[in-house]
Amino acid sequence: DTGVSQNPRHKITKRGQNVTFRCDPISEHNRLYWYRQTLGQGPEFLTYFQNEAQLEKSRLLSDRFSAERPKGSFSTLEIQRTEQGDSAMYLCASTQRTSGVVEQFFGPGTRLTVL
Amino acid sequence: GEDVEQSLFLSVREGDSSVINCTYTDSSSTYLYWYKQEPGAGLQLLTYIFSNMDMKQDQRLTVLLNKKDKHLSLRIADTQTGDSAIYFCAESNAGNMLTFGGGTRLMVKP
Repeated sequence: DTGVSQNPRHKITKRGQNVTFRCDPISEHNRLYWYRQTLGQGPEFLTYFQNEAQLEKSRLLSDRFSAERPKGSFSTLEIQRTEQGDSAMYLCASTQRTSGVVEQFFGPGTRLTVL
Repeated sequence: GEDVEQSLFLSVREGDSSVINCTYTDSSSTYLYWYKQEPGAGLQLLTYIFSNMDMKQDQRLTVLLNKKDKHLSLRIADTQTGDSAIYFCAESNAGNMLTFGGGTRLMVKP
């Protein structure tokens, strides 16, 4: 399967715990995006990387959130001291940045439930 | 900041045409997209339109863009029960992050 993959698909945790999600983009894609989708809403942008550089962060990304893409391939999103409001679907997307239209390919998401 | 708005719900009968509407505020939007999300599945890109175009047709899908009014629509001809899903309008500026609407739930009745 050469699509975007995300692990785990589901995560249930207790409030106050730390969680980490992983995203493996399509192999030749140099841009990787993280979005968050709460129930009944559209996805909201969190952050994106071009290769290993984190180029933009949304104001939604509080200091409890950190994202990395150490070798310009897979990325991790960590949430420290989780809160119930962090419950959402976390989506990863990747693209090859070239001229013209930029189609973002989305992974299946990681659904986080904070109890 | 940028804002994208969609109506919440649309119900049509199988075989009819569906029209899903979207408005956006960012006049510098470069591309506008329509994504489909089925229950438990990821987002699937259906089609996109460049901001200097006013129409694009792709099989059963027709996208209309009124840049002056910042209005985008998606028409699905001969709607089938398999088209039942949530449809998201999204815009991007210079190919960076996407700003999504809240989604329109399309229900197709047999």
